[in-house]
Amino acid sequence: EDKVVQSPLSLVVHEGDTVTLNCSYEVTNFRSLLWYKQEKKAPTFLFMLTSSGIEKKSGRLSSILDKKELFSILNITATQTGDSAIYLCALLRGSGSARQLTFGSGTQLTVLP
Amino acid sequence: DTGVSQNPRHKITKRGQNVTFRCDPISEHNRLYWYRQTLGQGPEFLTYFQNEAQLEKSRLLSDRFSAERPKGSFSTLEIQRTEQGDSAMYLCASSSPEINSPLHFGNGTRLTVT
Repeated sequence: EDKVVQSPLSLVVHEGDTVTLNCSYEVTNFRSLLWYKQEKKAPTFLFMLTSSGIEKKSGRLSSILDKKELFSILNITATQTGDSAIYLCALLRGSGSARQLTFGSGTQLTVLP
Repeated sequence: DTGVSQNPRHKITKRGQNVTFRCDPISEHNRLYWYRQTLGQGPEFLTYFQNEAQLEKSRLLSDRFSAERPKGSFSTLEIQRTEQGDSAMYLCASSSPEINSPLHFGNGTRLTVT
């Protein structure tokens, strides 16, 4: 059974701090790993990672995948209060028409002013 | 707004009643998904459509749950004889035909069964 474990479960930092969120996984047929940000409502897409070692970057956020050690990290530099959210990691398994994502429980990030 | 649209936003119902939710995906997306999310957990997959065909259903989807996408556009999720354990946020997502295209989620329908 596919498994996605995120750590820490919650994190409280001050504005300007840098944070690293972790996602480890087990999957039988890996296709890609995705990161989402969820505030009060819909999870919004951040990154999709398919290849090991290639960093994806968007502003102050970046993410990288290690397919050998089966984990990914999401970094946020110079955090702002607007970064407060739940960050979800999800696995997309390969094979055929399979399109279901398996999500972790998320990391609740709180950025204090 | 051209994102995924879900209605209603909130639904409160009494145990034993039937409820139906609607999802309108992004217009050019042929894939549509239903997920359920409870407090403190990530979304859990329920079912997936490619066009009008329902291609996958989770073991979580009991026979009280049925989903349709009759014309390959909007979808409905019906829960019959609701139970308190059905209380959750029901999220709809859609994605385009490209391989590895990410899912885009709607704001969800929050169901409370009293």
